[in-house]
Amino acid sequence: NAGVTQTPKFQVLKTGQSMTLQCAQDMNHNSMYWYRQDPGMGLRLIYYSASEGTTDKGEVPNGYNVSRLNKREFSLRLESAAPSQTSVYFCASSREYETDTQYFGPGTRLTVL
Amino acid sequence: GNSVTQMEGPVTLSEEAFLTINCTYTATGYPSLFWYVQYPGEGLQLLLKATKADDKGSNKGFEATYRKETTSFHLEKGSVQVSDSAVYFCALRDGGGFKTIFGAGTRLFVKA
Repeated sequence: NAGVTQTPKFQVLKTGQSMTLQCAQDMNHNSMYWYRQDPGMGLRLIYYSASEGTTDKGEVPNGYNVSRLNKREFSLRLESAAPSQTSVYFCASSREYETDTQYFGPGTRLTVL
Repeated sequence: GNSVTQMEGPVTLSEEAFLTINCTYTATGYPSLFWYVQYPGEGLQLLLKATKADDKGSNKGFEATYRKETTSFHLEKGSVQVSDSAVYFCALRDGGGFKTIFGAGTRLFVKA
C-alpha cells in the first residue's frame, strides 16, 4: 500500500509561472485535503474535497484552484505563482465519516523566486 | 475563532528523559483534540486523540489528557528514545466538520 503519494517532491518556479501539484491515494478514502506548512504557523487548510465531485475552500484558498479528478486524485494548481506561495504543501485523505484520522503524503517543497 | 498554542521548540533531551510538550486551545463548543507527529522527510501521522473531556489518548508510550477546565492537552512520555526525534503538532477539530486547526509544531531532539 503506497498510502498518499505526491508529485513532485521539490519544485522551483519563477514569479508568474503556473504549475499543478498532484496527489493520489489508494486507501479508497472519500475525503481529501490540501494544506500548506509555513515556519511557525503549523498547517493551514487551502481546499478540501469532502467527497468525489465536491470541493470547498479552507482557511487560505486565494491564489489556488483544485480539481477532484476522481476518487483517488486531488490536484492543486497555482495559476500565477507568487513568492508568498513558497511553502511545503501536504495532501491528506480520510474516510468521510472519520474526518479526524487524516493520512498525509510526504509533501512538496515549493520555492517561488 | 478556534486556535491552538503549543510550546516553542526546539526541545532537546537526553535518552530516557521525561518529556512534556504543552498545548492549550481556544474553541467554541466541544472539540476533539489530537497530537500528530512528523518524522524527518515524511508527512504527519496521527499519534493519539481524545474526543471528550477527561479522556486520555495514548500510543507508543505517549499520553495526553483532555482537560476542559484548563483547556489543555499536554503530551507526555516517561522515557524518550532517539527514535522519538520529530516535530509534534497539537490540533483540534470542532464539531463534525472537515477543518482541523493545527498548532505551530514543536521540534524534539533526543540525544543518545
